Amino acid sequence: GAGVSQSPRYKVAKRGQDVALRCDPISGHVSLFWYQQALGQGPEFLTYFQNEAQLDKSGLPSDRFFAERPEGSVSTLKIQRTQQEDSAVYLCASSPQNRGEQYFGPGTRLTVT
Amino acid sequence: QKEVEQNSGPLSVPEGAIASLNCTYSDRGSQSFFWYRQYSGKSPELIMSIYSNGDKEDGRFTAQLNKASQYVSLLIRDSQPSDSATYLCAVRDFIYNQGGKLIFGQGTELSVKP
Repeated sequence: GAGVSQSPRYKVAKRGQDVALRCDPISGHVSLFWYQQALGQGPEFLTYFQNEAQLDKSGLPSDRFFAERPEGSVSTLKIQRTQQEDSAVYLCASSPQNRGEQYFGPGTRLTVT
Repeated sequence: QKEVEQNSGPLSVPEGAIASLNCTYSDRGSQSFFWYRQYSGKSPELIMSIYSNGDKEDGRFTAQLNKASQYVSLLIRDSQPSDSATYLCAVRDFIYNQGGKLIFGQGTELSVKP
């Protein structure tokens, strides 16, 4: 079946612009995770949804980062007033339940100039 | 701060050899462990999960877990050039009502030479 999809695949933003990154999880997966991956590093956790509830946002680096999953399916990660340090690959992963194996989407590469 | 440690490499092995990738973790209570493969410019792909002490085999891959030593490893037998990638070790940090986020090591770069 279809895997996790993310859009856009690449985004270039000027410093100070707002961006929105979309994740469409595997159908039926209740758990959705966002991670940030810097070059040469492993992914780092940002936030977690179980259905529409955001149960853990401890990894969001600042209040400029906001995520939502209003209907328990598609999720959007929004970054306001982007800064150069926000440049990274943003990965979305979904899982059939919160203890299950996580499957990653292709990621969105964000470059802030 | 819960941590996962891997040697960054690069680890270079000849084609047909066994590649051994290692990982240690700091949280003694961890229960679930994963190996992901990440090709350059691509996203992580799950290749193995292991939950119990001992070995778990899947094709050319064997994951080994030793909870007493807080150590997990991945063996790749008959290594192929197509195995050249970065291998990420991940440990689940499960907190009731907060889900099970993964804590990743920085990855080990593997290069298999023809």
